[in-house]
This record gives sequence, C-alpha cells and structure tokens, in this order.
Amino acid sequence: QKEVEQDPGPLSVPEGAIVSLNCTYSNSAFQYFMWYRQYSRKGPELLMYTYSSGNKEDGRFTAQVDKSSKYISLFIRDSQPSDSATYLCAMIPGGTSYGKLTFGQGTILTVHP
Amino acid sequence: EAGVTQFPSHSVIEKGQTVTLRCDPISGHDNLYWYRRVMGKEIKFLLHFVKESKQDESGMPNNRFLAERTGGTYSTLKVQPAELEDSGVYFCASSQAARASGDTQYFGPGTRLTVL
Repeated sequence: QKEVEQDPGPLSVPEGAIVSLNCTYSNSAFQYFMWYRQYSRKGPELLMYTYSSGNKEDGRFTAQVDKSSKYISLFIRDSQPSDSATYLCAMIPGGTSYGKLTFGQGTILTVHP
Repeated sequence: EAGVTQFPSHSVIEKGQTVTLRCDPISGHDNLYWYRRVMGKEIKFLLHFVKESKQDESGMPNNRFLAERTGGTYSTLKVQPAELEDSGVYFCASSQAARASGDTQYFGPGTRLTVL
C-alpha cells in the first residue's frame, strides 16, 4: 500500500469552476503537508504549505488538513486556464526526516475556457 | 536569481552504458535533494545532501547509483551500468533551511533519462 494516495485524474473543468483535489495518507507521523504545481516539462513548484491540521488560504487557493481522517485537500476557486497543470500533494514526517518529501501520484487538471 | 538547473535536459542511452546527471542548486542552499519519477509512478526521494555530506541516502535503489557533491556546490548522480528500469525523470531540489518547517524545496526542471 502506498503511503500517499492521490487520484491521478485527469480532471477537466470549465473556467470559473471550483476545483477540489484530495490526498489520503496512511503514515500518522506526517506533520507537514504541501501542494506542488507542475507545468509540463517543468519541475514541481510549491503552492501551499501547511503544518498539522487546519486550513490555510492564499488568494484563490485553500489547503485543508484533517489529521484525524488522514486526508488533505486543495481547493481552487474561480479556476483559470492557467491553472491547468499537474497538482502533487507531498508530506514530511515530524522529527528528523527533514526534507524527505513523500509525494502522491499527482492529479492532472485541465481548465478549459 | 537563478533557479535550480539540471543538465542534460534529456539523455538517451543504451542498457549497460553510464550516464552522469548534474544539478546546480540555488546559490547559498546547503540542502540538495535528488528525486526520481518513473513513468506512471509518484516522485520518489533518492537522497539528501547537507553541504557535501550525505544526510540520507535511504532512497537510492542500488549500488549502481552514485551521488556526489564536491565542495558542497553542484551535485552529480551517476548511473553505472544503466538498466531499463532506470528510465524516468530525475529531479534535483535545493533548500536553504535545515529543518522541515520552512524548508521550501525549489525544484529543477528535471533530466529525462531513457534507457534503451
């Protein structure tokens, strides 16, 4: 069983839609949760970073972490064609595993005009 | 400021050959990471340097892979001899902070390795 499960999609939505992306995980040691965005032929780019449980908002993006359910989400409001990319969730345990990211498989998102 | 750069962007080699990938981190970043994405799978951690020292190499698949970071600047990842299953995209990332909190990793564009 993978430590982090993420539906690869693909997900196709019309411009302006609200997008919900999700990951589940099995390792309760994960404390730091990230969402990366990756455009084609580029490296992953950090989008959101959350520590432990709770919500974090940044512009059109909201990240949610529910540690009791081992479930994290990324919401994109008013989606734009420029949001079309692969979205990767990633996690790091607490303690001494500094920097060792564990990724989900990534969800391919297309926002069409 | 220049980001993380990787060279080459694409490499095609035959099984049994040797390939060396290079990563230049962001200037001043002590932490350097190598990751790999095999087709259809998730990105997986290979190893982590702090300056020139290997902090964690638990993700290295086998002894055909050798990573070095001479002088704590750029890093190389050598695969010798290459096997078909080594095909994938190899990413390098660097970060400034040593701790997970605030340890934003900046990724390079990756090297796409194809072993025939």
